[in-house]
Amino acid sequence: QVQLVQSGAEVKKPGASVKVSCKASGYTFTTYYIHWVRQAPGQGLEYMGMINLSDGGTNYAQKFQGRVTMTSDTSTNTVYMELSSLRSEDTAVYYCAREAPATCYFDFWGQGTLVTVSS
Amino acid sequence: EIVLTQSPGSLSLSPGERATLSCRASQSVDSKNLVWYQQKPGQSPRLLIYGASSRATGIPDRFSGSGSGTDFTLTISRLEPEDFAVYYCQQFGGSPPMYTFGQGTKLEI
Repeated sequence: QVQLVQSGAEVKKPGASVKVSCKASGYTFTTYYIHWVRQAPGQGLEYMGMINLSDGGTNYAQKFQGRVTMTSDTSTNTVYMELSSLRSEDTAVYYCAREAPATCYFDFWGQGTLVTVSS
Repeated sequence: EIVLTQSPGSLSLSPGERATLSCRASQSVDSKNLVWYQQKPGQSPRLLIYGASSRATGIPDRFSGSGSGTDFTLTISRLEPEDFAVYYCQQFGGSPPMYTFGQGTKLEI
C-alpha cells in the first residue's frame, strides 16, 4: 500500500533552517512527483512547491523561492524539504503529497510534520 | 496567480441534508485541473474529486462535483455525520502555471 511517512516534529529558533523528510513506499518512487503543502495553525492549505523524482527538477512557489530547497534520495525513496531563514510565521504543519505526472491532483498525503519557530 | 474563493466560509447543516459548496476562480480554470479535498481535524487532506467531477477511489457517490470556467461546485447529497469537515478546492493553471488552494469551507453540524 502507498505510504508517505514524514519525519517528526521540530522546534527551531528564528533564523535557523529546518529539513523535513518524506519517505515513500508501496509504489515506484521515480514515476511520481512529490509536492509540499503547509498549514499554519487554524489556517488553510498553502502550496510550496514540487520535485519531479524522475529527473530531480524542482518548481517552487514564488513566495518561497530563495528560501526552500527540495531534494530527493532515490536510494532510500526519500524526499527532503529544507526551509531556511525561519520566522515565526513559518510555524505550521508541513505535508508532502504525491502526484502522478500531469494529473494535477494529490492522491496520497503524508501525515504531516509540525515545525514550530520560537525564540 | 489564479485565486480561488470558496463560499460560504462556514455552513451549518444537519445529517441527511444537502450541502452545496462553491469555488470561484479569478480566471478561467481548465476543468481537468480542478480538485476537491476533505480535511478532518488532526488529519491530512483526503482527495475527493478530481477533474472537477470524477470521484477518487473509495469516495461515496453522495459526493459530486460540477462546474466549468470560473465556477465550480461540490455537492454532498445527504450528509452523514462523518462528512462534517473542512473542504478545499485546488487548481493548477495560470501564468506561470501554479497550484493554488481556496481558503476552505467548514461544514459543521
